[in-house]
Amino acid sequence: NAGVTQTPKFQVLKTGQSMTLQCAQDMNHEYMSWYRQDPGMGLRLIHYSVGAGITDQGEVPNGYNVSRSTTEDFPLRLLSAAPSQTSVYFCASSLGQGLAQHPNYGYTFGSGTRLTVV
Amino acid sequence: AQSVTQPDIHITVSEGASLELRCNYSYGATPYLFWYVQSPGQGLQLLLKYFSGDTLVQGIKGFEAEFKRSQSSFNLRKPSVHWSDAAEYFCAVAPFGGYQKVTFGIGTKLQVIP
Repeated sequence: NAGVTQTPKFQVLKTGQSMTLQCAQDMNHEYMSWYRQDPGMGLRLIHYSVGAGITDQGEVPNGYNVSRSTTEDFPLRLLSAAPSQTSVYFCASSLGQGLAQHPNYGYTFGSGTRLTVV
Repeated sequence: AQSVTQPDIHITVSEGASLELRCNYSYGATPYLFWYVQSPGQGLQLLLKYFSGDTLVQGIKGFEAEFKRSQSSFNLRKPSVHWSDAAEYFCAVAPFGGYQKVTFGIGTKLQVIP
């Protein structure tokens, strides 16, 4: 049981380049989210999805795109990388709202992607 | 919108001593509350959660947290800290019925000294 798998683990981009951060989960979780983690700022929500075909913006969505064509995959696209997007990115998944009392309710996080934009 | 405050950025405790990490939240109703732990270079791991019912919740690794509605707090405690508990701890809150919109605090980094 792999949980949440993020690729790549490290990436260096030049300003203006685009790329896709991959996220896949094998737990049949309904919810998936992308966060960025910056020193002194905790984790900030970029985009989230409550099911296949349904996505919405979080706190810091500008410069990022997402789609959710399957339950398992939730890729994050950087459209035109900027140095301000240098960060550690985490994908997370969880059971849906209707299972709030389930013992396993709560985010499962991937191990992160460390992105540097130069 | 909800918010979370972790007033202590960095805490140092001696191994074997007790630990309390503070968390205050802002939300108009009863929220969902969580504590996560992050070891260096790793993702976050859920320690415990509160949704309703008993205000003292038990989690993994010997941690517990108490929900105090009157103080809007959800402090994390451990009676005796082990060196392996050194990590960064995040409190998080989500609105009732909107679990996907989880807001995290900025974290408290715990150092354990011999």
